[in-house]
Amino acid sequence: DSGVTQTPKHLITATGQRVTLRCSPRSGDLSVYWYQQSLDQGLQFLIHYYNGEERAKGNILERFSAQQFPDLHSELNLSSLELGDSALYFCASSGGEGFEQFFGPGTRLTVL
Amino acid sequence: AQTVTQSQPEMSVQEAETVTLSCTYDTSENNYYLFWYKQPPSRQMILVIRQEAYKQQNATENRFSVNFQKAAKSFSLKISDSQLGDTAMYFCAFMRYGNKLVFGAGTILRVKS
Repeated sequence: DSGVTQTPKHLITATGQRVTLRCSPRSGDLSVYWYQQSLDQGLQFLIHYYNGEERAKGNILERFSAQQFPDLHSELNLSSLELGDSALYFCASSGGEGFEQFFGPGTRLTVL
Repeated sequence: AQTVTQSQPEMSVQEAETVTLSCTYDTSENNYYLFWYKQPPSRQMILVIRQEAYKQQNATENRFSVNFQKAAKSFSLKISDSQLGDTAMYFCAFMRYGNKLVFGAGTILRVKS
């Protein structure tokens, strides 16, 4: 158990819908990273938050947004969902700049 | 931009034997971290081992060790005394300090009894 929690584990929804994925980092970790794992794109970085502030963006679609709250949990919002958004979404946390990242169990999103 | 290449899509090894997974990377940075992550069928991403670029000594964690060649930009993972539980996808990853992980495409390792 990495200490990082993600909910829900599975999510099945329809095209055009909006979903929210939730992540709670390890106790004391200030950084939260979101990654997408799909068959065709592999593991791709989406966005990084540090202590509530956005630090870096990767190949994140405009339909996707995220935030980190004062209690350090983070949410990834995916809207106007398309079939191609079906993937495993991971959250990872780390203790600060330069430390290794520990991954949550992931949320498997299926868009029908 | 950094890139990570894993040239072996699949590998297999007999139980109790040793296997080496290859990884090369491209960067102009001097200070960075390298990692190997394991993803078993459960899909959980598990950190196996890490290497700081400024350290010349190769990292070791029990049966797992790395061969880090900074000049050649090579970072291979050696698994000794392979066990059935080692069957998984293995990802090599690069990270600048405080930054995102950049992953290779992964190598599927099958340990046979």
